[in-house]
Amino acid sequence: QVQLVQSGAEVKKPGASVKVSCKASGYTFTSFDINWVRQATGQGLEWMGWMHPNSGSTGYAQKFQGRVSMTRDTSTSTAYMELSSLRSEDTAVYYCVRDYSGNSHYWGPGTLVTVSS
Amino acid sequence: QAGLTQPPSVSKGLRQTATLTCTGNGNNVGNEGAVWLQQHQGHPPKLLSYRNNNRPSGISERLSASRSGNTAALTISGLQPEDEGDYYCSAWDNSLRAWVFGGGTTLTVL
Repeated sequence: QVQLVQSGAEVKKPGASVKVSCKASGYTFTSFDINWVRQATGQGLEWMGWMHPNSGSTGYAQKFQGRVSMTRDTSTSTAYMELSSLRSEDTAVYYCVRDYSGNSHYWGPGTLVTVSS
Repeated sequence: QAGLTQPPSVSKGLRQTATLTCTGNGNNVGNEGAVWLQQHQGHPPKLLSYRNNNRPSGISERLSASRSGNTAALTISGLQPEDEGDYYCSAWDNSLRAWVFGGGTTLTVL
């Protein structure tokens, strides 16, 4: 069965970087794009960008340009999202999502990232 | 900040019909249609409808999605207690080259 297993919760100081992983299993990792969406506590959803594991191509929301990097390791079927220059407003649950626009749409469980001094 | 407009809350009675709306513009909803998601507190969202108003397998036939111009709608008939939750619409914006979301609608079943 399809699984997206995300890395554990992180606590970071302002200015630091965080790298969240999303390990896929139960399907061919390179067949579907991976999107990253975040949600601050009690708030709505915010799209950060996409990455296609086959080519490594990426597309980022303008808000995160220059601060986010989405990569993958096809040997371990793992996608990564790294966000730098963290600030308190980046405190949120970060989700990886497979095939956002299609019928194979699937969400990971989320990773809580807390930014606090 | 939301790119699409959704009413913050909708309340309907048990077994009634609720229609949730999502308004965008010609670059997003009007061009590509909307994706609808349901979220229960503490859980990741779940896909209810994807492009061109398609319903994934396993999603109740009581749910149907539609679009008219720049407004997408999700209609839920025969409301049940488990239909309560937060509903988000999302659409690809050709101008921004990004997925944009609505702010979400909280559905309460009375």
